[in-house]
Amino acid sequence: NAGVTQTPKFRILKIGQSMTLQCAQDMNHNYMYWYRQDPGMGLKLIYYSVGAGITDKGEVPNGYNVSRSTTEDFPLRLELAAPSQTSVYFCASSSGVAGVSSYEQYFGPGTRLTVT
Amino acid sequence: QKEVEQNSGPLSVPEGAIASLNCTYSDRGSQSFFWYRQYSGKSPELIMSIYSNGDKEDGRFTAQLNKASQYVSLLIRDSQPSDSATYLCAVKANRDDKIIFGKGTRLHILP
Repeated sequence: NAGVTQTPKFRILKIGQSMTLQCAQDMNHNYMYWYRQDPGMGLKLIYYSVGAGITDKGEVPNGYNVSRSTTEDFPLRLELAAPSQTSVYFCASSSGVAGVSSYEQYFGPGTRLTVT
Repeated sequence: QKEVEQNSGPLSVPEGAIASLNCTYSDRGSQSFFWYRQYSGKSPELIMSIYSNGDKEDGRFTAQLNKASQYVSLLIRDSQPSDSATYLCAVKANRDDKIIFGKGTRLHILP
């Protein structure tokens, strides 16, 4: 199993450009999450999904959009990139199956994004 | 009031000693609590989860939960230099499926 994969690993965007960060998992997990992590800070939840076709906002959703058309994929779209979106983006998944391990998250390697 | 609070550190602990990491949370109804370890430049990895009051041990790690005090801690026994990392406390929200993270505590094990 590859676990949670993210592409690209690094990206530099100009202000106003758009891009999509890809995230995929092969663990048949129901729940998927997008976080951003600024230097020296914890993780801030952007969006999450509890299943295909279902998404919900996290703490910092402004400037981002998501979709979940399949169980495996959860892309994050940045529209009109701004310097404030410079960060490391992590995708995570958890089983979402009833039980004590439902919310134990597995993280992808991250995407380091710079907006200049 | 911040939802999940941790002392940012750095916390310096001699090799072989016990490292104690603390976390408080504001959502009184939360039921699921997690500790993640994050090495510099890497993604977080789960080291412990705890759901009931009391202690839970896994090797050198012990998680402690006190729901009445809204407090969760992580003890690392026989600390090793390889334990030097940032430790993130995470709490599942009571009313939805969000997982909220603290800012993390940087731990430095002194050889």
